[in-house]
Amino acid sequence: AQTVTQSQPEMSVQEAETVTLSCTYDTSESDYYLFWYKQPPSRQMILVIRQEAYKQQNATENRFSVNFQKAAKSFSLKISDSQLGDAAMYFCAYRRAGGATNKLIFGTGTLLAVQP
Amino acid sequence: NAGVTQTPKFRVLKTGQSMTLLCAQDMNHEYMYWYRQDPGMGLRLIHYSVGEGTTAKGEVPDGYNVSRLKKQNFLLGLESAAPSQTSVYFCASSYGGNTIYFGEGSWLTVV
Repeated sequence: AQTVTQSQPEMSVQEAETVTLSCTYDTSESDYYLFWYKQPPSRQMILVIRQEAYKQQNATENRFSVNFQKAAKSFSLKISDSQLGDAAMYFCAYRRAGGATNKLIFGTGTLLAVQP
Repeated sequence: NAGVTQTPKFRVLKTGQSMTLLCAQDMNHEYMYWYRQDPGMGLRLIHYSVGEGTTAKGEVPDGYNVSRLKKQNFLLGLESAAPSQTSVYFCASSYGGNTIYFGEGSWLTVV
């Protein structure tokens, strides 16, 4: 069974600094997707970034980038120039490509605080 | 851009009452899902659907039923609510095995 592990329950960063959130996963599949979702206090789940496993290039979305290490099954999120609005719970998630189930498997989340 | 819309946003139920959560998506997605999120935990899949007229059980299906009579709608029903079903419920949808998009959540309290 696939699992997603986020080993940092809480992180803190100073405004304008850079922070990296860790995520590891376990799967025997070769084709899959990885995601980072942001959940602010409003509880809405917002997609931050997506990575296809077949792509070697790390995904980037403005101040958000990932370090995808397929062999190590590691998928970390880097937030540059942190802003107060980045404060939220961040979930790493895995989804097998194709297939009938297409279930999204979440980690337990990392709560990010941004200090002014 | 409506995306995924859930109703109601908030509801308080008494133990034993029934209710239905409605999810609607306007993205023509085949797949739809219901998740629940409890404090200190990630999201857990309740039920899902891979197309109109189909439903399947997820990780925590007990106490819930679902229906997908129309492609754009996915209903989650609680026949006899229990305090253990107090949670935030998220509907989501996707096109194939691609990115999953979430609604804003429905807060349910069972007293």
